Amino acid sequence: DVKVTQSSRYLVKRTGEKVFLECVQDMDHENMFWYRQDPGLGLRLIYFSYDVKMKEKGDIPEGYSVSREKKERFSLILESASTNQTSMYLCASTSGQRHQPQHFGDGTRLSIL
Amino acid sequence: AQSVAQPEDQVNVAEGNPLTVKCTYSVSGNPYLFWYVQYPNRGLQFLLKYITGDNLVKGSYGFEAEFNKSQTSFHLKKPSALVSDSALYFCAVRDMYSNTGKLIFGQGTTLQVKP
Repeated sequence: DVKVTQSSRYLVKRTGEKVFLECVQDMDHENMFWYRQDPGLGLRLIYFSYDVKMKEKGDIPEGYSVSREKKERFSLILESASTNQTSMYLCASTSGQRHQPQHFGDGTRLSIL
Repeated sequence: AQSVAQPEDQVNVAEGNPLTVKCTYSVSGNPYLFWYVQYPNRGLQFLLKYITGDNLVKGSYGFEAEFNKSQTSFHLKKPSALVSDSALYFCAVRDMYSNTGKLIFGQGTTLQVKP
């Protein structure tokens, strides 16, 4: 079974802090994704990566950056956290095969005070 | 533009009754379609997918989905609902212009199964 592990289930940070959310997958997947989920807004794609050191902006990249130094690890960085970044963050991965689903981690519920 | 619509924010059914969660899509060409379930404070869990072939797809936990090309729909169904099926359900279609496995998600439908 594919396992996608997000380093924290719950995180509380302060406005202005630099925040790192980590995601690790164990299936040698090329593609990894970061979403945020807010009530009434569904899932929104922040960034994704299709290879080591390769990344693309999703629908809402403002205020975020990402890092993929190793194939199994994809980090989401909030450069200077703000209260409107309080949300549920979900990481997912998938292989390059067209018929394969994305596999999700359990999410990180981030609160910015 | 590619899109997925889940027209119902919430579906309420009684335990033991059949359930349907609706999904329609808009993509060019043959779609790759997926259903996910999300329990409270958890990530999305893959339920089933349609790639090609039989229009009725069976998945986890007794769920199935019917692909209808003429109606561009992919409704999720279960013959007999359980209280434990109460959760948030997402329909998704693969982005046909991307090789990265990128998905386009619907807004989600909350399923409430009452005893």
